[in-house]
Amino acid sequence: ETGVTQSPTHLIKTRGQQVTLRCSSQSGHNTVSWYQQALGQGPQFIFQYYREEENGRGNFPPRFSGLQFPNYSSELNVNALELDDSALYLCASSYDRALDTQYFGPGTRLTVL
Amino acid sequence: EDQVTQSPEALRLQEGESSSLNCSYTVSGLRGLFWYRQDPGKGPEFLFTLYSAGEEKEKERLKATLTKKESFLHITAPKPEDSATYLCAVQAYDNTGKLIFGQGTTLQVKP
Repeated sequence: ETGVTQSPTHLIKTRGQQVTLRCSSQSGHNTVSWYQQALGQGPQFIFQYYREEENGRGNFPPRFSGLQFPNYSSELNVNALELDDSALYLCASSYDRALDTQYFGPGTRLTVL
Repeated sequence: EDQVTQSPEALRLQEGESSSLNCSYTVSGLRGLFWYRQDPGKGPEFLFTLYSAGEEKEKERLKATLTKKESFLHITAPKPEDSATYLCAVQAYDNTGKLIFGQGTTLQVKP
């Protein structure tokens, strides 16, 4: 049990819709990273938030956006969904951007039809 | 371009049959190499971080080693509960917090 929770567990959307995924970090963790994991692939870095500011971003278009709140919960928003957005979305929390204390949540499985 | 390649993609072992998983990497400046275990339908679980060539870390039946070009995860006398996908990732010296993952090795240990 990592203390990182995500909601919802599963989600089905249609192409063109918008989706919001939520993550609750482990208590005291001020850094959250989001990853996209396609079936049979390793996770791909979307972005990281540190103390409510975006700290780094991977090769994802602007329709992927995020927020981190003072209570260390966070959101991943995806606009104009495409079929290729179907994947497992993982959040991971850590303290002060230290990745060797980074804990992953169980993920949200998004299916875009 | 920073890149991580894992081999083999899949590995089947009999219980007690030791083996190694390989992670080859290309990175502009290695800050750390990470090993994770991922069970089906779950998020990755942290195993090890290695920082410099020659470093080794152990945990139960697992031992991770690091050279300047690759890392190995050695599994000694595996048990069926070691069955999982093992992911390798690298962090470069940038301030993005990005981990670059390989595609993983799926290990199946048969009793």
